[in-house]
Order: sequence, then structure tokens, then C-alpha cells
Amino acid sequence: DAGITQSPRHKVTETGTPVTLRCHQTENHRYMYWYRQDPGHGLRLIHYSYGVKDTDKGEVSDGYSVSRSKTEDFLLTLESATSSQTSVYFCAIRDSTVSNQPQHFGDGTRLSIL
Amino acid sequence: DQQVKQNSPSLSVQEGRISILNCDYTNSMFDYFLWYKKYPAEGPTFLISISSIKDKNEDGRFTVFLNKSAKHLSLHIVPSQPGDSAVYFCAAWNNAGNMLTFGGGTRLMVKP
Repeated sequence: DAGITQSPRHKVTETGTPVTLRCHQTENHRYMYWYRQDPGHGLRLIHYSYGVKDTDKGEVSDGYSVSRSKTEDFLLTLESATSSQTSVYFCAIRDSTVSNQPQHFGDGTRLSIL
Repeated sequence: DQQVKQNSPSLSVQEGRISILNCDYTNSMFDYFLWYKKYPAEGPTFLISISSIKDKNEDGRFTVFLNKSAKHLSLHIVPSQPGDSAVYFCAAWNNAGNMLTFGGGTRLMVKP
């Protein structure tokens, strides 16, 4: 299994509070991704990173920000959480040396915003 | 507008029989397709992939077929086993290789 750790695994918080999710990898992969999974929508890309301090927006980036200060860590921040951001969040990594290599996923963070 | 669609949210199959999961896409610029399998409380795991220049790829019990003219791909599992019960996601890379677009998933149940 790819060395990907997401923390926390579960979190319950209130509307309006900031939330930060962490993804840590031990594979030294260049690319890292944040997705959210919602029923009927599959996984949708929020943001991704193609190197330290290099990030770009995905399909559903509004209300989210990311940071990558080290190769191994990719943080996802909900600046002011809303109930519509209740979801399961997955981090993924990819080895950039071969094109079209699959992404490998962490086990997810279940986030509930009340 | 979903560019990758899995129109069957669920599928039930008897153990030993064939499971066929379908996926349709609308973007003709997609050039690489993948299938992922997901168990509850775990992340998706990569299963099999196919390049747009091929029409078939096999890996053991799993075969993926691609029909580019119909913008359709399918995953065949033969024979199906109870351990195959999971949610299966179809996904497609854009031609820049920086974004993976997922379908909504199909829940497969294989009955003993």
C-alpha cells in the first residue's frame, strides 16, 4: 500500500469554523490531490499540487484553500465551514515520472459540519 | 454536466457469473481510462486501465473494453466472487494528464 496518511479520520465541527485536513505521504511523489466524495457524484477534484508551493484549482475549489510547504504534506483548509462541505475527503498521490500512472488514495476523512 | 457517467448505481450478480459494469463519457479529449474499486471506510484502489489507442486490456479476471466511437467502456469480471462486492468507479485522464474525472460509481453485490 502507498504510504498515505490522512488526519483526522473523522471530524465533527460547527458551521463557520475553520477546518484543516492533513495528508502526509512517505513516497516522495510530486503530485498530490484533494477530492471530495458525495453520493451520485463520485470523486470530485478540489485542488491539486504539482510540487512544493505549486498548486492549482480543481472542479470544486470554492470555499477551500490548500498549502504544500513540504513534499510530504498537503493541507486542505475550509476557511469557514458550511453544511454543504459535509463530505468524505480523500487525498491521493501520483508518481510523476511515468505519464498516466494511477493515483493512489488515502483512506479518507469523514467531515460533518453541523 | 458530468463528463463521465455510470448510469447503473447498483448491480447484483450471482457468484461465478460474469459482472459487467458500464461507463460512458462525453469528452473526446480523454485519452486514458481507469477503473477503481472501493470498499467501505477505505480509499479507492486502482484496478485496471486502458489507453485510448487500445480497445481491450486484460488482467486476470478483469477485462476492460473501450469503444471510442460510442464513447463507452465496460469492465468485465469473470468469474465474480463475493470479495468483488464493492463500489466501482470509472475515471478518465484529460490529455494534459493533470486531472482525473470520475463517474458516480456502481455498487456491485456478488451473492454466494
